[in-house]
Formats: sequence, structure tokens, C-alpha cells
Amino acid sequence: EPEVTQTPSHQVTQMGQEVILRCVPISNHLYFYWYRQILGQKVEFLVSFYNNEISEKSEIFDDQFSVERPDGSNFTLKIRSTKLEDSAMYFCASTPERGLTDTQYFGPGTRLTVL
Amino acid sequence: LAKTTQPISMDSYEGQEVNITCSHNNIATNDYITWYQQFPSQGPRFIIQGYKTKVTNEVASLFIPADRKSSTLSLPRVSLSDTAVYYCLVGERSSGSARQLTFGSGTQLTVLP
Repeated sequence: EPEVTQTPSHQVTQMGQEVILRCVPISNHLYFYWYRQILGQKVEFLVSFYNNEISEKSEIFDDQFSVERPDGSNFTLKIRSTKLEDSAMYFCASTPERGLTDTQYFGPGTRLTVL
Repeated sequence: LAKTTQPISMDSYEGQEVNITCSHNNIATNDYITWYQQFPSQGPRFIIQGYKTKVTNEVASLFIPADRKSSTLSLPRVSLSDTAVYYCLVGERSSGSARQLTFGSGTQLTVLP
């Protein structure tokens, strides 16, 4: 069964550094999402992406965040200057074009630790 | 967006049937009910979705009464590997446009040997 993959599984960085989290969505999917989950808290929506542009973003997704689909397979989340409070699990998700977009396929996540 | 209420936690034993009920008193006419499962340190996984009456797949059943103000996820004969957080989501089903999912706190199901 096709899966969403994410790299790295764990990223440790210093406060103020830039990080790029990478995702490879399922190959025939065209809607992409990033969510985050701070330890012990709820899964929170960050951003959705379709047709090479952001569809929707939450209040969390401020100017420090950006997303990109640099080629036909990767979908990245960049945090320009990390803060301690950015420490969380970051999940990528995707949905097929003709799929029902509340049935989202999630990746295994990247654990980001900001020191 | 309809607010959902679920028990914070439930315990069960292997081989038992588990029923997790979700309340959604303000569900709208166009809203569907969707359940996700999340294992520790993994992303949520879609389990089942329904609008009314009963839906069954290879993993679970979903029971929705006529007034749709609640729903019950039923897991038959649970095993230790079913220990996870289960989320009930309510929202309008969309096709052809990106849609954010809003997760609540979920129900932590612990299956005991």
C-alpha cells in the first residue's frame, strides 16, 4: 500500500536556526498538508497546498513558515528561525485529487527538537 | 464547526468489543462523522466515515442514530495493538478542495492483556 514518507524522523536544532522538513506524498495525490502536534497536545493544522499554492493556513503558520513543492515528488516545510516552542511532531498528509479531502493519509512524522 | 465530546480514556481487555461514543449535538445537515486512530509517535490514520445509520469496514463499525447527535465507534475483539488514541471529527465532506482537519483531544484506548 502506498505511504506518505517523511525525513528526517528526528531533527535536533539550535534556536534561531533554519530547518527544512521533507515529505514525499503518495504519488497520485495532489492535495498536501502539514500538521503539528506538541507533546501531549492536539494535532493542529498548519497549512494546505494545492496546484503549487497555499490553499489555507492557520494562525500558527506565520511568516517564519513556508512550504514548497520543489519537484514532482517532494513537499517541504521550512521554518526560518526556529523557536523553542516549535518543538513538536510535524506530520505531512496528502489526498488524491478526486478523493474526499477529509480522508487524509498521514506520514509517520518528524520529531523536531529545538534547543 | 460542530464541537465533539469524547471520553478522555477507556480501558478494555483483549478479545472484548469496545464502543467509543462521541457526542456532537450541533452537527449540521451536511456534516459527516469521521474517525481517526493514532498510535504513539505516528500520524493519525483514517478508520471509518459515515453520515447516518451504520457503516462497517474491515476495521470497525460506526453506528449513528437517527438524530445524528452522537456516534459510536465499535471495535470488535480488540487486541493489544489496538491501544491508541481515537479521534472523532465532524465536518462537511468536501471533494475537490483542500480541507483542514480539526482534531480534538481524542479517547485514549488502552487494551490490557
